[in-house]
Amino acid sequence: KAGVTQTPRYLIKTRGQQVTLSCSPISGHRSVSWYQQTPGQGLQFLFEYFSETQRNKGNFPGRFSGRQFSNSRSEMNVSTLELGDSALYLCASSLGASGGVNEKLFFGSGTQLSVL
Amino acid sequence: GENVEQHPSTLSVQEGDSAVIKCTYSDSASNYFPWYKQELGKGPQLIIDIRSNVGEKKDQRIAVTLNKTAKHFSLHITETQPEDSAVYFCAASSRLNYGGSQGNLIFGKGTKLSVKP
Repeated sequence: KAGVTQTPRYLIKTRGQQVTLSCSPISGHRSVSWYQQTPGQGLQFLFEYFSETQRNKGNFPGRFSGRQFSNSRSEMNVSTLELGDSALYLCASSLGASGGVNEKLFFGSGTQLSVL
Repeated sequence: GENVEQHPSTLSVQEGDSAVIKCTYSDSASNYFPWYKQELGKGPQLIIDIRSNVGEKKDQRIAVTLNKTAKHFSLHITETQPEDSAVYFCAASSRLNYGGSQGNLIFGKGTKLSVKP
């Protein structure tokens, strides 16, 4: 069974640009969560999607957005990039039952975004 | 909301020794506690988890213990090997987190484990 797949693996952008990251969850998983990981802040929750609907949202500005498609694949978008957006962006999938609580969460390898 | 604290932040052991990482949580309603291992350049990998109706769980050299009264849980790695070197994260989940800004899993800040050959 294939794991969580994230593309691209690396991205280099300049300030002010926008970026779109893609995530394919494990087959059969309907919930996709996104996290930002930085050395100083650790793992910070961005949002969670289930059945094409945003179910949870973290404390990030509106420049960060996401969506989920009918096949459970998800994308996240960051507009007007800032230097502080440089981070590893991780996607995680789970079955999504029971509101997603108490479920095993499986992570992809992440997209390393560098903003210059 | 839930808060998970993890200690120590760094841990260095000799190959063959045991390593213990401890986490405490604040929400007594939390009832699912996974542990993740993150190697350099990779995403966190689920290595073991425990639910609140169980006090201990083992998987080969890895074990997790849970003390619900004290609200803490620990990861034990025995006979450590160089390939155990990684960052380890604990996490906690509760139905009370549902719909919250922290997401369904609240993570600790991580422990960097170094196993010296």
